[in-house]
Amino acid sequence: SQTIHQWPATLVQPVGSPLSLECTVEGTSNPNLYWYRQAAGRGLQLLFYSVGIGQISSEVPQNLSASRPQDRQFILSSKKLLLSDSGFYLCAWKGGTGDVYTEAFFGQGTRLTVV
Amino acid sequence: DQQVKQNSPSLSVQEGRISILNCDYTNSMFDYFLWYKKYPAEGPTFLISISSIKDKNEDGRFTVFLNKSAKHLSLHIVPSQPGDSAVYFCAASYSGNTPLVFGKGTRLSVIA
Repeated sequence: SQTIHQWPATLVQPVGSPLSLECTVEGTSNPNLYWYRQAAGRGLQLLFYSVGIGQISSEVPQNLSASRPQDRQFILSSKKLLLSDSGFYLCAWKGGTGDVYTEAFFGQGTRLTVV
Repeated sequence: DQQVKQNSPSLSVQEGRISILNCDYTNSMFDYFLWYKKYPAEGPTFLISISSIKDKNEDGRFTVFLNKSAKHLSLHIVPSQPGDSAVYFCAASYSGNTPLVFGKGTRLSVIA
């Protein structure tokens, strides 16, 4: 069966510090991978998605970047965090080509607080 | 531009009664719709979905209705239980590898 791992669960970082959140998926190949953010009082905002290794689409211009160095690994990064980067970050995967009408599966999320 | 809208931030329902959560969308290209349930500090979990070729899909206590002409869908939970208390997100996508677009969520409180 497929599983998704996301870490760390919580993170407190000072303004201006770097960020690296990692997400890995097991039990599937060539998944579509996503990073979402849930800010206080807001819905789930899509930040980045990837349909393959090295392919990243950015939905919202911001202080963050994403990379997909391996098929089942998705990394969210920042060189210098801002207070506005605080939020609940969620990694998700969905079946790739051929699995059009399927749900996305989410990790447990990372609560990031920038102080 | 919000393509998926959940206009009710919260809903309170008595245990055993019906909960109805609503969702509207603006993008007529959407052809697949989903509902997710989310507890605090956890990732959303998939509940039920419907494709645009149907107008109703049922799974146990959960039923989703789709009205394409009105660009509206709803989730019915019958009977509501205290464990159903959570935030419910509506999501939509269209054919291909497009990401899910989510609404802002509705917080459901089921009162015993």
